[in-house]
Amino acid sequence: DTEVTQTPKHLVMGMTNKKSLKCEQHMGHRAMYWYKQKAKKPPELMFVYSYEKLSINESVPSRFSPECPNSSLLNLHLHALQPEDSALYLCASSRLLSSGHPSYEQYFGPGTRLTVT
Amino acid sequence: GNSVTQMEGPVTLSEEAFLTINCTYTATGYPSLFWYVQYPGEGLQLLLKATKADDKGSNKGFEATYRKETTSFHLEKGSVQVSDSAVYFCALSPSNDYKLSFGAGTTVTVRA
Repeated sequence: DTEVTQTPKHLVMGMTNKKSLKCEQHMGHRAMYWYKQKAKKPPELMFVYSYEKLSINESVPSRFSPECPNSSLLNLHLHALQPEDSALYLCASSRLLSSGHPSYEQYFGPGTRLTVT
Repeated sequence: GNSVTQMEGPVTLSEEAFLTINCTYTATGYPSLFWYVQYPGEGLQLLLKATKADDKGSNKGFEATYRKETTSFHLEKGSVQVSDSAVYFCALSPSNDYKLSFGAGTTVTVRA
């Protein structure tokens, strides 16, 4: 099973709403990532989890709150978002090498297309 | 710093035409190089990779060779199909870091 799944596929939310994006993988990967992708642009890294601990936060605003409840699941909690946060949110996963660093080979999910109104 | 430059799109081709998308990179050390493909409405899929100089990555008829002397990793396919219409991203991962640096992406449209 080489699949990363994400739910929901589409999400429309108001600026006062609280919602969550979910990501799941069953490849035994111990590194998981959140990316944000605006239209016609490459993905931008937001967060990295290694061994279920947050290892990288790319200066993301606090209205985005990641959570890794176990090695297979990754959530992104959203609160008080702005219209400019509308984008495709991609989850990815990869192995951890013996060094403890994530492998460079990342597997991406299909994404959640988020619209903030 | 690390960076990837790929040819500007969009690229429009007829079916069975030859496709080349140029990609050059700047990095210290010996990065790993990738091509990712994003079909309309979908996430990214790893298309092929190369981890050292002169390696050739190949998949689904696509090929790319890691050329250290020219710091390039050009993507080629000899005969494209309508189903190859997608956005193609060249990316690198530095030898001492796992973060992916992406190129801007090239939109390819194949007409029947």
